[in-house]
Amino acid sequence: AQRVTQPEKLLSVFKGAPVELKCNYSYSGSPELFWYVQYSRQRLQLLLRHISRESIKGFTADLNKGETSFHLKKPFAQEEDSAMYYCALSVHFGNEKLTFGTGTRLTIIP
Amino acid sequence: GAVVSQHPSRVICKSGTSVKIECRSLDFQATTMFWYRQFPKKSLMLMATSNEGSKATYEQGVEKDKFLINHASLTLSTLTVTSAHPEDSSFYICSAPVEFPRRLSGSETQYFGPGTRLLVL
Repeated sequence: AQRVTQPEKLLSVFKGAPVELKCNYSYSGSPELFWYVQYSRQRLQLLLRHISRESIKGFTADLNKGETSFHLKKPFAQEEDSAMYYCALSVHFGNEKLTFGTGTRLTIIP
Repeated sequence: GAVVSQHPSRVICKSGTSVKIECRSLDFQATTMFWYRQFPKKSLMLMATSNEGSKATYEQGVEKDKFLINHASLTLSTLTVTSAHPEDSSFYICSAPVEFPRRLSGSETQYFGPGTRLLVL
C-alpha cells in the first residue's frame, strides 16, 4: 500500500527566510503527487501538483523519484504562508482518491 | 471556482443516534465524491468513494453498515453515521473531483468541502 510521510509536524521559519517542507512517499508505481494547504478556518485547497510544474504563491516542488520525495520549497517566506500543509499522493492519474501525509504546520515568525 | 458545501458544519448528538451529513457540489456535477475523516492533529483518512447510481466503495477497515453512503444525484452525496458512539466523534470532510465542466481553474481538479465536526456525547 502507498504511504506519505511528512516528518515535521511543526515548522517555524522567520519571515524572509527559505522554507522547505519535507515529503517522502512509498509506492511501487508512478504516483501523482500533490501539496494541499489549509489556512486558518478555511477548507483544504490545492497548492500545486507535480505534473503541472507550476509555481504557486512562490512555492515549488520537484518530484525526485530516486529519493521518492516531493519537498515543498519557497525561497522567501511570507507571513501569509502560515498554514497547515499536506502532501498527498494519487496512484491513478485521473482518479483523485488521495492518500495524505500527516501534515506540517508552518508558522512564519514576523 | 467550483464550490463544495457540507451541511451541517457541526453537530452534537447523543450516543446511539444517527447523524446525516450532506455534501453538495454547487456548480458542477460529480459522479464521484470522496469522504474523509480527520482525527485531531492527524491526517485525513479516506473512508469511502461515493458513486452516483451505484454502491459506495469503502476503504479497508471502514464499516459500511456503520457509515452509510448514498449518492442520490450528480450533486449530492450523504454520509450517515448510524448508532453513533463517542469514538465516532471526528471531523468529516468530503471532496468532489471536477468532471463537468472540466478543469474550471488552473490545475485544480478536486474541491473539498469545509468539513463537518461531529461530537457524540
